[in-house]
Amino acid sequence: NAGVTQTPKFQVLKTGQSMTLQCAQDMNHEYMSWYRQDPGMGLRLIHYSVGAGITDQGEVPNGYNVSRSTTEDFPLRLLSAAPSQTSVYFCASSFARGRWTEAFFGQGTRLTVV
Amino acid sequence: QQQVKQSPQSLIVQKGGISIINCAYENTAFDYFPWYQQFPGKGPALLIAIRPDVSEKKEGRFTISFNKSAKQFSLHIMDSQPGDSATYFCAATPYSGNTPLVFGKGTRLSVIA
Repeated sequence: NAGVTQTPKFQVLKTGQSMTLQCAQDMNHEYMSWYRQDPGMGLRLIHYSVGAGITDQGEVPNGYNVSRSTTEDFPLRLLSAAPSQTSVYFCASSFARGRWTEAFFGQGTRLTVV
Repeated sequence: QQQVKQSPQSLIVQKGGISIINCAYENTAFDYFPWYQQFPGKGPALLIAIRPDVSEKKEGRFTISFNKSAKQFSLHIMDSQPGDSATYFCAATPYSGNTPLVFGKGTRLSVIA
């Protein structure tokens, strides 16, 4: 059972470039989310989705887009990378059955924008 | 506005000692309080969680204490071991409705021999 898989693990981008961080889960979880982790800032929610076709903004959505065309995949798009987006990005998933259950996290993508 | 305040930011504990990490929240709608453990280079993983119907929950060496009136909860790690060295995050959310988890800023725990 692979769980939550994020690709790539590491990425270096130049300012202004765009890219997509991939996230896939094989647990049939309805709920998926993206966080960024910065030193001293904890985990901050970027976007989340409670099911295919449904997305919503989190605490720090600016500069990022998401879509949810399937239950399994929840890609995060950086439209025009900025140095402030240098961070470690985590994708998480869980069941969404009207109450919270365990959230499973991927291994993370370390992104550097130069 | 920080909805979940976590302290301390870092903690050094002797092997065999007790590690204590505290969190406080403001939103009275929160009624699900999980703790996540993160090792370097890994994603966070659920360690233990509590709901307000109990004041304490214990799983092995890990205990959550919950004070509803003070809107505070804490993680106690008994007999701390070097393998417990990690970053710990508290979180909170309403239990029903799948509202996103709100995380504290994390505590980096180092257990030294």
